[in-house]
Amino acid sequence: DGGITQSPKYLFRKEGQNVTLSCEQNLNHDAMYWYRQDPGQGLRLIYYSQIVNDFQKGDIAEGYSVSREKKESFPLTVTSAQKNPTAFYLCATRRQGPNSPLHFGNGTRLTVT
Amino acid sequence: SQKIEQNSEALNIQEGKTATLTCNYTNYSPAYLQWYRQDPGRGPVFLLLIRENEKEKRKERLKVTFDTTLKQSLFHITASQPADSATYLCALLWGTDRGSTLGRLYFGRGTQLTVWP
Repeated sequence: DGGITQSPKYLFRKEGQNVTLSCEQNLNHDAMYWYRQDPGQGLRLIYYSQIVNDFQKGDIAEGYSVSREKKESFPLTVTSAQKNPTAFYLCATRRQGPNSPLHFGNGTRLTVT
Repeated sequence: SQKIEQNSEALNIQEGKTATLTCNYTNYSPAYLQWYRQDPGRGPVFLLLIRENEKEKRKERLKVTFDTTLKQSLFHITASQPADSATYLCALLWGTDRGSTLGRLYFGRGTQLTVWP
């Protein structure tokens, strides 16, 4: 089945540690995105990538890093520099064309204590 | 800066009634507007898209309208069912992203709909 896999579903880390969230897709979509969702807030864009080896900062990129070495994969690293890392992280993909919708994974809930 | 507002955080209606959710935006009109459904602990799922030159779009029990004069989109669910209970998000694409394959979508905070029997 085609889809987007985010793993793990739940992740716990101690403050000061870096953590990497996985996102894999087999939809053959060119564009991939990382969003963050906090209670009572809309989705906020962290990073996005249109092609392999290229990515751009979104609205809240500070404290995060990404890589796009393969079309299928777009991992997100939450670094210790991120002030409030506890959140629900969503990965999404999109095919070519300005009207195409986003396809989301089922998210990773990160808790940092 | 652009701002998106969804009318209320929560909407409770009785089964069989029509649910109407509102999405308002500021400044200039987006190229198009999308509606998504999100269930607890899951990623959003795309429902409908309406372009700036379209007034209305329908899909089964769903209807979306787009009024660029009022800067508003309405999302209707007719004959609502308890299974329609979820959070509904509107998302807009603006300006320089119009012709872009990438197209950055901006999301509202969502409206949590509860349909009770």
